[in-house]
Amino acid sequence: AQSVTQLGSHVSVSEGALVLLRCNYSSSVPPYLFWYVQYPNQGLQLLLKYTTGATLVKGINGFEAEFKKSETSFHLTKPSAHMSDAAEYFCAVRQSNFGNEKLTFGTGTRLTIIP
Amino acid sequence: DGGITQSPKYLFRKEGQNVTLSCEQNLNHDAMYWYRQDPGQGLRLIYYSQIVNDFQKGDIAEGYSVSREKKESFPLTVTSAQKNPTAFYLCASSMYTGELFFGEGSRLTVL
Repeated sequence: AQSVTQLGSHVSVSEGALVLLRCNYSSSVPPYLFWYVQYPNQGLQLLLKYTTGATLVKGINGFEAEFKKSETSFHLTKPSAHMSDAAEYFCAVRQSNFGNEKLTFGTGTRLTIIP
Repeated sequence: DGGITQSPKYLFRKEGQNVTLSCEQNLNHDAMYWYRQDPGQGLRLIYYSQIVNDFQKGDIAEGYSVSREKKESFPLTVTSAQKNPTAFYLCASSMYTGELFFGEGSRLTVL
C-alpha cells in the first residue's frame, strides 16, 4: 500500500522568500515520487519527479525536491517565491514494481504569495 | 501538438441523468486514468486502464462506468447511481515511466 501526507493545506509566503512545501510518503517498495502544480480550473502539470539515482531533483520554474529515504520525505522548495507561483501543489507516490502504475496523491497545498 | 483532450469543459446535468465525459489522447500512451477532484480531498482514482479492452476499478468506482475500445479513448460515464456527482473530473495518461499527463479537466454540476 502507498500513501502521501502533505502537511499544511494552505501556505503563505512573501514574494522573494523561501518556499517549502512538505510531503511525506509511505510505500512498501522503493517509491517513485512526483510533484504537480495546478492553476485554477486547469489540469495538473508535472513539476519534477524522482525515480532512481540522484536524490536532489530539479524541476521547472526553479523548484527542486530532495528524496530522503530515512525520513520518508520529498519536500518541495524554491529559494525565492514569485507571484506566478501561487497555485495548488500536489505530491504523489507510485510504487516502482512493474504492473502497478497507479499514482496516489496527497490532498494538496494551496500556496499564496504575499506581495 | 500531442496531448490529452477532455470535453466538455463544463457540463450541467439534471438529477437522474447519465452523462458521458470524453477523453482522447494522441500521445500513444498505453495507460489511461480518471480522477475526481473535490476541494480539500486531492485527487481520487475512479477507474484506470493499462491496455485496450481492459480496465480496473479505482478507489471510488461506484456510480461510474468506463470503456476502453481504442487506445486513444477512455470515456467516463457518470450514472444516476452516483450520489454526489458534482466535481471536477481529470483524465490522464502515462507510459510505464510513471508520470501522468493530464487533460484540462471537465467540471460537472448537477442541478
